[in-house]
Amino acid sequence: NAGVTQTPKFRVLKTGQSMTLLCAQDMNHEYMYWYRQDPGMGLRLIHYSVGEGTTAKGEVPDGYNVSRLKKQNFLLGLESAAPSQTSVYFCASSASGRGYTQYFGPGTRLTVL
Amino acid sequence: GDSVTQMEGPVTLSEEACLTINCTYTATGYPSLFWYVQYPGEGLQLLLKATKADDKGSNKGFEATYRKETTSFHLEKGSVQVSDSAVYFCALPDSGGSNYKLTFGKGTLLTVNP
Repeated sequence: NAGVTQTPKFRVLKTGQSMTLLCAQDMNHEYMYWYRQDPGMGLRLIHYSVGEGTTAKGEVPDGYNVSRLKKQNFLLGLESAAPSQTSVYFCASSASGRGYTQYFGPGTRLTVL
Repeated sequence: GDSVTQMEGPVTLSEEACLTINCTYTATGYPSLFWYVQYPGEGLQLLLKATKADDKGSNKGFEATYRKETTSFHLEKGSVQVSDSAVYFCALPDSGGSNYKLTFGKGTLLTVNP
């Protein structure tokens, strides 16, 4: 039982390049989330999904897209990376909503030059 | 809207000192409350939680009591260790229509010196 895994762990991009971050969970959770963590800002929700085939915007969705084609996977895409997207990205999943624990992946450190 | 406010850090303590990290919340009703911990280089993990008023959550020597009178959920530990050095986040679920989202505080960095 690996829990929540994220690929890759580190990435350096040039401005304007694109990339996809992959999140996978093996706990059969319905809900999945993408956050970014920046110094002094805590965690901010980018996008989330309440089930296979669904996605919704969070607090800071601009410049990102997501897809949830399979229940166990949640992809975060950057179509045209900007230096402001330099951050640590965390994926999380939970079995249900209100009051249920979110399980986090180890994070992806992204630098955009 | 729902929000959590936790004390700003960083907090630096010597081993075996007492720890309190304050957390207060604003929410509709009585939501579950959480403390998450993030060790260096890792993702967040649940430390403890309380699901109703007056509940006490505890884990790894940490405790927090859900106090509805003061809308607080302060994290405490009687004797910290070097291995407790981490960032601590208070959190609560969104009580609005999107109640599967968590709102996190900004985090408090704790450093424990030998």
